[in-house]
Amino acid sequence: EADIYQTPRYLVIGTGKKITLECSQTMGHDKMYWYQQDPGMELHLIHYSYGVNSTEKGDLSSESTVSRIRTEHFPLTLESARPSHTSQYLCASSESRQGGYQPQHFGDGTRLSIL
Amino acid sequence: QKEVEQNSGPLSVPEGAIASLNCTYSDRVSQSFFWYRQYSGKSPELIMSIYSNGDKEDGRFTAQLNKASQYVSLLIRDSQPSDSATYLCAVNHDSGGSNYKLTFGKGTLLTVNP
Repeated sequence: EADIYQTPRYLVIGTGKKITLECSQTMGHDKMYWYQQDPGMELHLIHYSYGVNSTEKGDLSSESTVSRIRTEHFPLTLESARPSHTSQYLCASSESRQGGYQPQHFGDGTRLSIL
Repeated sequence: QKEVEQNSGPLSVPEGAIASLNCTYSDRVSQSFFWYRQYSGKSPELIMSIYSNGDKEDGRFTAQLNKASQYVSLLIRDSQPSDSATYLCAVNHDSGGSNYKLTFGKGTLLTVNP
């Protein structure tokens, strides 16, 4: 089982603030992902990384940015938060292994509310 | 556009019954298939992985894969109220080892009634 940690779990903050959502994993997984999910709705991939210094935008356009300077750390940043950014943000990781694609394991998520 | 389709439900079954959850996918070269369980307000939790045609059993859960029909299912035997959750089907389409993304279905809401 992957150990993947997200902080904060909950964040309520005003419009215009800069926000960084943290995601760390201790399993040495090379692949990491960020998803956005509104209550009762489907998961949307917004960013992913296949290794250090590798980041790509996902299927859903997002105003957020990500970085991958260390294998274990994949933070997501919103430069100027808006109410439309209110959502749950989920981080996931997976490893490369012979024998087929390895599943993604999720952190507990950050529930973000922008006032 | 690669698609993963699930019946959104809700699927309601009595306690002790078998719950059957279904998923179809559009890309014939898909190789890897997963079922996740997501409780309300929580993150998805992996419950089954399946890579080959046929059945795979793990406790009360059985995943069934039919690549010719592009169909994967999850059976939950002896359903319990604690199984009430949304079940997400996820598919990796890559056959060449370069695409590590998953395509998720919208999920099926399962309710197990005591």
